[in-house]
Amino acid sequence: EVQLVESGGGSVQPGGSLRLSCAASGFTVSSNYMTWVRQAPGKGLEWVSVIYTGGSTYYADSVKGRFTISRDSSKNTLYLQMNSLRAEDTAVYYCARGGYYYFYGMDVWGQGTTVTVSS
Amino acid sequence: EIVLTQSPGTLSLSPGERATLSCGASQSIDSSYLAWYQQKPGQAPRLLMYGASNRATGIPDRFSGSGSGTDFTLTISRLEPEDFAVYYCHQGGTFGQGTKVEIK
Repeated sequence: EVQLVESGGGSVQPGGSLRLSCAASGFTVSSNYMTWVRQAPGKGLEWVSVIYTGGSTYYADSVKGRFTISRDSSKNTLYLQMNSLRAEDTAVYYCARGGYYYFYGMDVWGQGTTVTVSS
Repeated sequence: EIVLTQSPGTLSLSPGERATLSCGASQSIDSSYLAWYQQKPGQAPRLLMYGASNRATGIPDRFSGSGSGTDFTLTISRLEPEDFAVYYCHQGGTFGQGTKVEIK
């Protein structure tokens, strides 16, 4: 079964760090575009970052310089390292297969992991 | 930066009615990268349409997409109870703000 399972969310103080993980099954992370999308409480979807098959990465301006997307082929897992967290980073974070100028859209999504940034 | 503007913000309809959702881009975009997603409360988004007019796997044919340039449309021909949700258009690094389809 094709599946994505996120983990690593939690509560953190402003300025802190978290690393989100997204474990894939049924397909190979490194052979696909992989994207992070977030959703603040009661708000719409916000694209965060993408990693291409070749390793190129792109970020939303709101997280550039603070977040880093990466993957581990041996673990078939996608990551999002989040540093210098701010209150406005509070959201449910979803990983998805595909995305960011990809014809086939984002066709597989995880269930989401919640990040709360608060003092 | 491209801005996607969805209208209306909320659509109040009855089951069986036709729903027409619009997504306007601030400048002409490549329809190859225009997608639509459905999201229900407490759930992850689900891909409905990709390449503006292609239904994703398992999406019923009452859903259709069209458009080019700056104007795109998602149509639900006859609303089923499970179709009441929020719908987002997306291209590149931008999502529209969403259209909520609610039961009238």
